[in-house]
Amino acid sequence: SQQGEEDPQALSIQEGENATMNCSYKTSINNLQWYRQNSGRGLVHLILIRSNEREKHSGRLRVTLDTSKKSSSLLITASRAADTASYFCATDANTGNQFYFGTGTSLTVIP
Amino acid sequence: NAGVTQTPKFQVLKTGQSMTLQCAQDMNHEYMSWYRQDPGMGLRLIHYSVGAGITDQGEVPNGYNVSRSTTEDFPLRLLSAAPSQTSVYFCASSRLDEQFFGPGTRLTVL
Repeated sequence: SQQGEEDPQALSIQEGENATMNCSYKTSINNLQWYRQNSGRGLVHLILIRSNEREKHSGRLRVTLDTSKKSSSLLITASRAADTASYFCATDANTGNQFYFGTGTSLTVIP
Repeated sequence: NAGVTQTPKFQVLKTGQSMTLQCAQDMNHEYMSWYRQDPGMGLRLIHYSVGAGITDQGEVPNGYNVSRSTTEDFPLRLLSAAPSQTSVYFCASSRLDEQFFGPGTRLTVL
């Protein structure tokens, strides 16, 4: 079974609004990562947060991690049409060398 | 740097045929992996390698073989294709935690 589950499955917002998507996972982890996938393309790494971190920022991205709840959230501020993509969380399930992806959130940003 | 390259981009097979999906990286990464992505699902790990000569099974290894004779190349072999293997296949490499993905191979098995 897959390690992560994203919520919501789909999200549609207006350009300039913030987008929040959540990820829940099942086992302990060393780190959690978020990836973006544009339609028909490979995944692109966005940000990594380690199990001993609670929050991390990168440009318009803000990631939080709550290991007690086994959950993470990705916030994209001031969204742009170019942010339209699917977003996946990935965890290493404490293995260090096996990565498990969630089912993804499909984000549509309407210009 | 070309990054991670995959060939072919598209492939149609008949049930029972075998084929090899190619993956190469020029970043000198030790870790490489193969995933499949099915509609409405995330990526599922098929096989991975932590270095030349070392491979291991992931979440869904049945029906697939891998080998890693060099750091650069990590081919995925389908032994006897089945319609259930219709999917998009992604290869990835990483040195630490960040994975770099190839553009994918879209495989259809009839």
